[in-house]
Amino acid sequence: RKEVEQDPGPFNVPEGATVAFNCTYSNSASQSFFWYRQDCRKEPKLLMSVYSSGNEDGRFTAQLNRASQYISLLIRDSKLSDSATYLCVVTSYYSNYQLIWGAGTKLIIKP
Amino acid sequence: ETGVTQTPRHLVMGMTNKKSLKCEQHLGHNAMYWYKQSAKKPLELMFVYNFKEQTENNSVPSRFSPECPNSSHLFLHLHTLQPEDSALYLCASSQEGAAGNEAFFGQGTRLTVV
Repeated sequence: RKEVEQDPGPFNVPEGATVAFNCTYSNSASQSFFWYRQDCRKEPKLLMSVYSSGNEDGRFTAQLNRASQYISLLIRDSKLSDSATYLCVVTSYYSNYQLIWGAGTKLIIKP
Repeated sequence: ETGVTQTPRHLVMGMTNKKSLKCEQHLGHNAMYWYKQSAKKPLELMFVYNFKEQTENNSVPSRFSPECPNSSHLFLHLHTLQPEDSALYLCASSQEGAAGNEAFFGQGTRLTVV
């Protein structure tokens, strides 16, 4: 089983819609969680950290479900500029906080 | 000045060539990384340097040779590569040892081995 798994997509979503995708992780000792965004042929950039209580940043909401070992990302009122690959990242104290990456979920927002 | 800079951005090399990728970070971080990103695959961690000491070498073939002369600079020396080594090579830095450490990436070197 992969340490971090994501649905590769692509998710084709009309502009203005709400879209959500999940990421599952296998190590129950994982402690820190992040969503990164990677535009086509560009480097990954941090989108948001994921806190235990869930957190929101504008149109983006991240949630953590420790019992089921997954994190989620919800995007409301999607924009064309949200088209990108969203990478899930997990770390733990036991791996010295080394970043474990998912393969990413590709999102395409259509006009 | 961007946080992490990589050169060159694009590189085409033959299988018998020797070349080097360069990475520089201006963020005062204590850890630097080389990643390989192939199409539709997760980022693959190749090497980690923490305070200039190599702490990870994830079974990377010896045709890839890292060098970290100081905490701000990282090189990846390439020689006798194979076509399957064609990929995007990303350098990153972070403040390791702290929870919630964000990784900052360079723009990557797109390598094509012919």
